[in-house]
Amino acid sequence: QSVLTQPPSVSGAPGQRVTISCTGSRSNIGADYDIHWYRQFPGTAPKLLIFGTTSRPSGVSDRFSGSKSGTSASLAITGLLAEDEADYYCQSYDSSLSAVVFGGGTKLAVL
Amino acid sequence: QVHLVASGGGVVQPGRSLRLSCAASGFTFDTGSMHWVRQAPGKGLEPVAFISYDGGEKYLADSVEGRFTISRDASKNTLFLQMNSLRREDTAVYYCAKDMSDDGSGPMIYWGQGTLVTVSS
Repeated sequence: QSVLTQPPSVSGAPGQRVTISCTGSRSNIGADYDIHWYRQFPGTAPKLLIFGTTSRPSGVSDRFSGSKSGTSASLAITGLLAEDEADYYCQSYDSSLSAVVFGGGTKLAVL
Repeated sequence: QVHLVASGGGVVQPGRSLRLSCAASGFTFDTGSMHWVRQAPGKGLEPVAFISYDGGEKYLADSVEGRFTISRDASKNTLFLQMNSLRREDTAVYYCAKDMSDDGSGPMIYWGQGTLVTVSS
């Protein structure tokens, strides 16, 4: 049971917009800790996609964006491409646990 | 360019020990806080251990507390994870990752390629 809750899977057609939610609590997202998002392709290491809730590292497409409201955060992907098929993880910090926490991951399928 | 190369994984019997290493290059090692994150087969990411840039602050997940130790050697630009009393549930790919922050709250900006630990008799 992950501290941050993500849907196990989402899907969309090429060109569409999808969002992946990340629900936490008052001790993590709701405590105003930053949310970070990672993308992982099968058999490879995760890669940072969004940091500081809304910022993109150099080289990451502006099709990816992050947002937060209350105790939840979201990753939005616009103009879906087949190459976006991957697992996506949110991450934050939890003050009750004094530790970083991850969501359980969401598998994105491009139909 | 930052490189993190994890090594030391393998097949080990329950109750035995293993030491993982993560060789770092491309940045000043003693200015970067570091994590070990593991991923069991078909599962999600689980934070295992954290060490601050100077080694003064450490964190271990409850699942490994008392069995695992995280350390770093600035002279060798290397991060370590000493794993004792291994259990079958420790089977996973272990990733080392560099934290962008000093306090370990993330983000984990660079990741190693991972090393597979299999605990089996």
